[in-house]
Formats: sequence, structure tokens, C-alpha cells
Amino acid sequence: DAGVIQSPRHEVTEMGQEVTLRCKPISGHDYLFWYRQTMMRGLELLIYFNNNVPIDDSGMPEDRFSAKMPNASFSTLKIQPSEPRDSAVYFCASSPTGGGQGYTFGSGTRLTVV
Amino acid sequence: QQQVKQSPQSLIVQKGGIPIINCAYENTAFDYFPWYQQFPGKGPALLIAIRPDVSEKKEGRFTISFNKSAKQFSLHIMDSQPGDSATYFCAARYQGAQKLVFGQGTRLTINP
Repeated sequence: DAGVIQSPRHEVTEMGQEVTLRCKPISGHDYLFWYRQTMMRGLELLIYFNNNVPIDDSGMPEDRFSAKMPNASFSTLKIQPSEPRDSAVYFCASSPTGGGQGYTFGSGTRLTVV
Repeated sequence: QQQVKQSPQSLIVQKGGIPIINCAYENTAFDYFPWYQQFPGKGPALLIAIRPDVSEKKEGRFTISFNKSAKQFSLHIMDSQPGDSATYFCAARYQGAQKLVFGQGTRLTINP
């Protein structure tokens, strides 16, 4: 298995632009998580899905952020409009039910908003 | 509000030493406590995990000690090597849910 695949690896965009981050979870994993990592706040859970349905989006910072999971093999995190304070590394992770094996994280997308 | 408090923020140890990273929590609804290891440019990777009905778990050179009454747990790395230099995160999972909350991380450096 190729693991959790995220794209792009790096994204530089101007303030006010729309940004879309993409994630392909491990086949058979029915949970998908989006985390944001910054030096100040560490790893923050933004939202997670179970069987493509959003379960908890309480970590989404504001209405500029939205996430979708149209099918079991694809999810997007969108920021519109982007702001410099959104600059961070965004991780997608997946896990099977029970999660005994823990989460498997992707390599992340480093977002820079200038 | 940090639900899992991790210390120290950074740690430097000589090769062969035993670095110890500590975590504390308040919420008794946590039922699973994993540790993750992260190298630069990579996502965190599961290292070892423990459930609160166990006081210690060993996997290779890595050991988790768990004190349920004190709501504390720690990671020990025996015979540390320069290749262990990474950032380590403790985490806790809510009972009945899948989501993890993470500590702030410890940047560990093992000097040769």
C-alpha cells in the first residue's frame, strides 16, 4: 500500500486566493482526519470523517475552511479566502475502525500564504 | 486549553543515554495513549501505544510507563542512537471516539 497520499507537497499562494488540499486515504480505512501543525499550536484536529460523513468539525477555525469527502478514496480541504495566518503544514491521516494500529499520516502539505 | 501537556519541549542526550519524555492529562474519558515519532518533512508515525489498564509496555528500545492515578505517562528510549533524533508527540484518544488530541511535542536530539 502506498500509504496516505497528499497533494500538493508545497503550496505558495497569495492572500485572498482559494487553496485546495487533497488527500487519498489508505484503502479500507474508514476514518479520515485533517490536522494542522504550527510551531505555536502544535497538531490541531480540524475535522474528521467516518465512512465519508463528517463527524466532528469543531476544530475548523472559521467559515473560510471547508472539507469534503465525496467518496472513500478522496477528501479535500479548502480555504477560501486564504490569509497569511493559515500558513502551516496540513496533514491528512486515516485509520481503520478501532484504530488499534493508530493513525497513518500522509507527508503533509506545507502551505504558505503571502 | 491543552488537554495533554507534554514536557520537556526539547531534550539533548548523549548516545546511549535514556531520554524520558513526560505527558499529563486531566480527562478521564481517554482510553488509549499512543506516542508518535516525526522526522523533518514527514508526517508523524505511530511508535508505541498503551491502554490505561496496563502500567508498562515495551517494544524494542521504547517503553511507555503509565500511572493511571496520577494521570501521567512517559516514554523512555533505551540505548538511544543518533537516528532517534526526531520530534516525539504523546496523544490521547477519547473513549468511544476515534479522534486523538496531541501534546505539544518534544524535539529530541541524540548526540554521537
